[in-house]
Amino acid sequence: EVQLVESGGGLVQPGGSLRLSCAASGFTFSNDWMHWVRQAPGKGLVWISYINSDGSRTNYADSVKGRFTISRDNAKNTLYLQMNSLRAEDTALYYCARGAKNAFGIWGQGTMVTVSS
Amino acid sequence: QSVLTQPPSASGTPGQRVTISCSGSSSNIGIKTVNWYQQLPGSAPKLLIYSDNQRPSGVPDRFSGSKSGTSASLAISGLHSEDEADYYCSAWDDSLNAWVFGGGTKLTVL
Repeated sequence: EVQLVESGGGLVQPGGSLRLSCAASGFTFSNDWMHWVRQAPGKGLVWISYINSDGSRTNYADSVKGRFTISRDNAKNTLYLQMNSLRAEDTALYYCARGAKNAFGIWGQGTMVTVSS
Repeated sequence: QSVLTQPPSASGTPGQRVTISCSGSSSNIGIKTVNWYQQLPGSAPKLLIYSDNQRPSGVPDRFSGSKSGTSASLAISGLHSEDEADYYCSAWDDSLNAWVFGGGTKLTVL
């Protein structure tokens, strides 16, 4: 079964840092591009970042550029999102998603990040 | 404000056909394919339609997608109560160099 499981969310103060992880199973992780997408409480979906299959190419939404870093460890079948200088507006449910068919083919269940003092 | 524009709500009765629109521009829908996602209450999104009109394995053929110019549509025929969910369109935007979503449409089955 293809599965993505996010972890690492929690409560953090403004200006703080957090690293999210996304463990993949059931498919050849090293073949696929991966994405992070977030959803603020009661709001819509917002794409955050992608990384290509070997980690050599990344891209970010303007709202997180310079603060967030996406990376992957293909040996561990794990995707990461390092989030620094967190702001209240970064409060959201963070989903990892597998890139497939030029779309977000499979989604994890999400991990909640709350930025508050 | 989302780059792609969807109506905030739609509704229909069981068995009816409903359509949800998604309006974009020449930098996204006009030159890129459109994907649709279904988000059931309390659940993660699920890919419903990709490449404008293709259904992933397991998605019923009651769901269909189309595109014309800078607009796309999702049609749901034979509406079921379990279709009550939020629906999002998405496409790559060449000008923004980013994936963009519509604001979502909440479908209510009356």
